[in-house]
Amino acid sequence: EIVLTQSPGTLSLSPGERATLSCRASQSISISFLAWYQQKPGQAPRLLLHGASNRATGIPGRFSGSGSGTDFTLSISRLEPEDSAVYYCQQYGRSLYTFGQGTKLEIK
Amino acid sequence: QVQLQQWGAGLLKPSETLSLTCAVSGVPFSDYYWSWVRQSPGRGLEWIGQVTRRGTTSDSPSFRSRVSISLDTSKSQFSLNLTSVTAADTAVYYCAKHDSSALFFDYWGQGVLVAVSS
Repeated sequence: EIVLTQSPGTLSLSPGERATLSCRASQSISISFLAWYQQKPGQAPRLLLHGASNRATGIPGRFSGSGSGTDFTLSISRLEPEDSAVYYCQQYGRSLYTFGQGTKLEIK
Repeated sequence: QVQLQQWGAGLLKPSETLSLTCAVSGVPFSDYYWSWVRQSPGRGLEWIGQVTRRGTTSDSPSFRSRVSISLDTSKSQFSLNLTSVTAADTAVYYCAKHDSSALFFDYWGQGVLVAVSS
């Protein structure tokens, strides 16, 4: 099983700043197999990015992704109060889907 | 628009069977794969299993064959059965639609909290 480790656990930033969230895989994965989700309290996860950098339908351009191999990054520019949420990475490999433990983003 | 509406019993006793159903609308049901994912404070987001458009199922080894997933294409529904539940199965359970590549989940149900307690 491929384990995804996200860092930091919690990130506290101000509106207008840039957030950088990390997702590290225990072994190399294809870019195509990496996705990012946003989850707000009481809601289901919402797909943000797939294929590591492709925005899902309706996702603003402030959200971007990068990375390859074992290291992937979700960047959120010009933070807004509504970006406060937990962000998860997810991968598919060896017939198994796994998620990272999440990064909580707080907007001061 | 795509909607996944799920329901099922929210309170179970140990050793009972968890049963949930997810109804899909707004998308050709037979064109996609469908999955169940759960979320608990201790285990985070955890993929349970999936059913393909042909009715083939696969599930996570973590559930040791306790999982059964079925689909009813006539009703655009799919269901989850998880047998011999314990307190460790207490979680919010989500149904989810795969994208056309089946690599990720592009739509989710609203979630159902299932608690296991004697």
